[in-house]
Amino acid sequence: AQRVTQPEKLLSVFKGAPVELKCNYSYSGSPELFWYVQYSRQRLQLLLRHISRESIKGFTADLNKGETSFHLKKPFAQEEDSAMYYCALIDTGNQFYFGTGTSLTVIP
Amino acid sequence: SAVISQKPSRDICQRGTSLTIQCQVDSQVTMMFWYRQQPGQSLTLIATANQGSEATYESGFVIDKFPISRPNLTFSTLTVSNMSPEDSSIYLCSVLGQGGYEQYFGPGTRLTVT
Repeated sequence: AQRVTQPEKLLSVFKGAPVELKCNYSYSGSPELFWYVQYSRQRLQLLLRHISRESIKGFTADLNKGETSFHLKKPFAQEEDSAMYYCALIDTGNQFYFGTGTSLTVIP
Repeated sequence: SAVISQKPSRDICQRGTSLTIQCQVDSQVTMMFWYRQQPGQSLTLIATANQGSEATYESGFVIDKFPISRPNLTFSTLTVSNMSPEDSSIYLCSVLGQGGYEQYFGPGTRLTVT
């Protein structure tokens, strides 16, 4: 069963515009959710974790259990934000489930 | 954090041959993962490799096609056997950090099968 869904494969926004990358999940327990990012020619790396409730590079993500969502947001997109973004969920057995990814392009 | 290296970084192979990808970690880790990533597309988990036990394969992946070794806590190999052009992809290994929640990824092995 698909545990993590990212409905947008491609997303383009203009520099300075707000950006939201959508992520929905299905999990019966208390999920732990993450956003991973892969910049061009770099390895995949953790961007942020919902438990830490921190803002990384201006990005935030709030876990909405009612809507089973964990959307990634940034109020003002920058060109360097162009990358592939993966939403991920970890279950109690340390099994990771990655979404299909969203390729974000920030247009200068 | 964990630093992961993979060999080779890329290879071009002929149909029907096999390639073994090595993954080396700079610290001892229990859980290692092997993924396949189509360029610009989704990340697909092939198998989880824990030291001292058989690898656990995800649906659609079998041991005969993707045999995995995990001889110690810092090293693993993935073999792509009897390759076909459909196996062309980037293969990634990753490890679970000590905190139990963050994955650290290797740089990937770009495989092209002709």
